[in-house]
Amino acid sequence: SYELTQPPSVSVSPGQTASITCSGDELGDKFVCWYQQRPGQSPVLVIYQDTKRPSGIPERFSGSNSGNTATLTISGTQAMDEADYYCQAWDNRTGVFGIGTKVTVL
Amino acid sequence: QVQLQESGPGLVKPSQTLSLTCTVSRGSISSGPIRSGGYYWSWIRQPAGKGLEWIGRILGSGNRDYNASLKSRVTISVDTSNNQFSLKLTSVTAADTAVYYCARGLISGGHFYGLDVWGRGTTVTISS
Repeated sequence: SYELTQPPSVSVSPGQTASITCSGDELGDKFVCWYQQRPGQSPVLVIYQDTKRPSGIPERFSGSNSGNTATLTISGTQAMDEADYYCQAWDNRTGVFGIGTKVTVL
Repeated sequence: QVQLQESGPGLVKPSQTLSLTCTVSRGSISSGPIRSGGYYWSWIRQPAGKGLEWIGRILGSGNRDYNASLKSRVTISVDTSNNQFSLKLTSVTAADTAVYYCARGLISGGHFYGLDVWGRGTTVTISS
């Protein structure tokens, strides 16, 4: 089965840039989306189709996808961005989530 | 803005069937954006302290796709008259204990976009 690999955790200082990677075989050939999940809350879509932001998502969230790696970048990270982030892609009509990355804003 | 709400028993006995319903409000489960493929309706679960697991989805056409690891036990169906879709998971064990979410995704240009609307989730515990 298809697997997506994410680092378990990323730490970032307020105002700095956080980069979260998501790796999978030929991932660049698939569309990737990213979800933010704060403790006790439902996931929120922050990036879809590799690079697009849904309405209401701040511009500091951006995405890229090439080769075997997709990346979610949070520029000018704020304390409110502390959360778990999951990448997701489709493989043979099956949804696959990464294991999630906990972003800590120190 | 469309809203989703999960409902169903919070406690299910081992070997029995887990049944959940997702009610769609402030929008029709049958409609979709103009000149697009419409929406798909999904179920996702999350064991306590763990990551998200995709269970399956149903399209407006009625086509269904399931997680291969659950396929033999899962059925997702739609009730357009009540604006709901449902999940049935048979022969449950403690490993099926999780928060279960329903969610909506957009289909456009033949591509499946992300899940842009989620329910608040419902906790299901498998225990005798």
